[in-house]
Amino acid sequence: DTEVTQTPKHLVMGMTNKKSLKCEQHMGHRAMYWYKQKAKKPPELMFVYSYEKLSINESVPSRFSPECPNSSLLNLHLHALQPEDSALYLCASSQSPTPGAYNEQFFGPGTRLTVL
Amino acid sequence: GNSVTQMEGPVTLSEEAFLTINCTYTATGYPSLFWYVQYPGEGLQLLLKATKADDKGSNKGFEATYRKETTSFHLEKGSVQVSDSAVYFCALSSGSARQLTFGSGTQLTVLP
Repeated sequence: DTEVTQTPKHLVMGMTNKKSLKCEQHMGHRAMYWYKQKAKKPPELMFVYSYEKLSINESVPSRFSPECPNSSLLNLHLHALQPEDSALYLCASSQSPTPGAYNEQFFGPGTRLTVL
Repeated sequence: GNSVTQMEGPVTLSEEAFLTINCTYTATGYPSLFWYVQYPGEGLQLLLKATKADDKGSNKGFEATYRKETTSFHLEKGSVQVSDSAVYFCALSSGSARQLTFGSGTQLTVLP
């Protein structure tokens, strides 16, 4: 299984809602990532989990809260989002972010989020 | 710091035309280089990669050679198809954290 899955595919939420995005991989990868992608732009890194621990937070607002319950799952909890947070949210995984490894990342199909 | 520069798009070609998308990079150490492709409405797929100088990555008729002397990793395909229409991202992985640095992306449209 060389696939990263993400649910839901589409999500519409109001600014007062709480929702969660889910990502799953069964490749035995120990690094997982959340990216945000706006239209016609490259992905922007949000968070990195390494061995189920948060290793990088790219100064993301606290209304985005990541969680890694186990080595196969990654969640992104959303609360009190703003319309400008509307974007494609991509999850990715790689074997491990160790120095010397070339860190090929496998991406999921993304969740298209619209905040009203 | 690390950076990737891609040729400005959009690029529009006729079917069976030759494709080149230029990519140059700046990086510390010895980066690994990647081309990712994003089809409309989808996530990113790894198209090809190269991990050291003079390596040639290839997949689905696409090729790119890691040129350390010119710090380049240009994407080429001899004969494009309509199904190749997508956005192509050049990226590198370098440094102790091995995070990906992406170029701005190049939109390719192939007309029948």
